Amino acid sequence: KQEVTQIPAALSVPEGENLVLNCSFTDSAIYNLQWFRQDPGKGLTSLLLIQSSQREQTSGRLNASLDKSSGRSTLYIAASQPGDSATYLCAVKQGGSEKLVFGKGMKLTVNP
Amino acid sequence: EAGVAQSPRYKIIEKRQSVAFWCNPISGHATLYWYQQILGQGPKLLIQFQNNGVVDDSQLPKDRFSAERLKGVDSTLKIQPAKLEDSAVYLCASSPGTGTFSPLHFGNGTRLTVT
Repeated sequence: KQEVTQIPAALSVPEGENLVLNCSFTDSAIYNLQWFRQDPGKGLTSLLLIQSSQREQTSGRLNASLDKSSGRSTLYIAASQPGDSATYLCAVKQGGSEKLVFGKGMKLTVNP
Repeated sequence: EAGVAQSPRYKIIEKRQSVAFWCNPISGHATLYWYQQILGQGPKLLIQFQNNGVVDDSQLPKDRFSAERLKGVDSTLKIQPAKLEDSAVYLCASSPGTGTFSPLHFGNGTRLTVT
């Protein structure tokens, strides 16, 4: 059974720091890994999707990497801003079943 | 393109009552998902449709939850009767298809409170 873990559960940093968010998963038989952002009272917004054959994806200040063999992904946020404050979730799409399995998320607070 | 639409946004009911949620996916998206997100947790898949058919409903409490997707477009999720532990946000998502590059697009969800 696939398990996705995000540690720590919460992080508070001053504005301007470069951040590293971690995600680990137990079963490497995945189609892809997706990073989402969730603002309070809102649905999930897709940030980046990395296919199983890829190593990384970039979008603006965000860079996500995938090491499938070790079951890890990292989301880098450069020069963090207060507007980056949100909960960040990673999810893996299981090969075969197509099921998307989520971590519990990491609540990020960027202080001005 | 218009996003995934869900209604209502909020619903408060008493336990043992019934409730229904509606979802309209992005036009042309073949795959539709219903997720349950309990406060402080990641979303948990309840049911996945591929066009009209059910692909995965292994985590759907079938004694009280039901879902349908008529004509492969809109979907409704029903709870009858509701329990206190059903209090959660119910998220609908859609994707163009299946496979390695099929990102999920989520609606804003319906927040259900069961008292």
